[in-house]
Amino acid sequence: EVQLVESGGGLVQPGGSLRLSCAASGFTFSSHWMSWVRQAPGKGPEWVANIKQDGSGQYYVDSVKGRFTISRDNAENSLYLQMNSLRPEDTAVYYCARWTTGYWIYWGQGTLVTVSS
Amino acid sequence: DIQMTQSPSSLSASVGDRVTITCRASQTISRFLNWYQQKSGKAPRLLIDTASSLQSGVPSRFSGSGSGTDFTLTISSLQPEDFATYYCQQSYSSPFTFGPGTKVDVK
Repeated sequence: EVQLVESGGGLVQPGGSLRLSCAASGFTFSSHWMSWVRQAPGKGPEWVANIKQDGSGQYYVDSVKGRFTISRDNAENSLYLQMNSLRPEDTAVYYCARWTTGYWIYWGQGTLVTVSS
Repeated sequence: DIQMTQSPSSLSASVGDRVTITCRASQTISRFLNWYQQKSGKAPRLLIDTASSLQSGVPSRFSGSGSGTDFTLTISSLQPEDFATYYCQQSYSSPFTFGPGTKVDVK
């Protein structure tokens, strides 16, 4: 059974940093692109970033470029999102999800990030 | 960026009703359109990919159609477990954008 479990969310002040983690199991992690998708309160989901199987390519939505970094450790079956210079508009539930050439079938339960003073 | 719109933003329906949700893209996306269902506090669930391909395990009362810029999700006979919010998402080009959602609630 595919499982994705996020951690690392919390309350952070504007301008602060946070690192999210996602532990993957139940599939060959190193064979799949992975994603972070976020959802602000009361809004639709928003794709944030993708990373290739071997980590050689990372892709971001414009609003987080230069502030967020997606990475992975295939030996540990883990996905990460380093978030710097956080803004109130980054407040959202952040989901780890497995990318399947255009869509996401498998999602984690999400971790809430709140950016507020 | 490709903008996605959905109509209606919400609708009230009864069990057994036929429900139709429309999604429109700001430019042509061929058939690169996916539909998700989301219940409160849960992650989205993929129902349909590539406009009309039903995911494994999704009941056949769900169907999708369309191409180009206009797409439709239909629930042929609404069941109690179908009350939820539905999102469309385009996978034609990055950034892979979602619609704002259609909330289906009890009449």
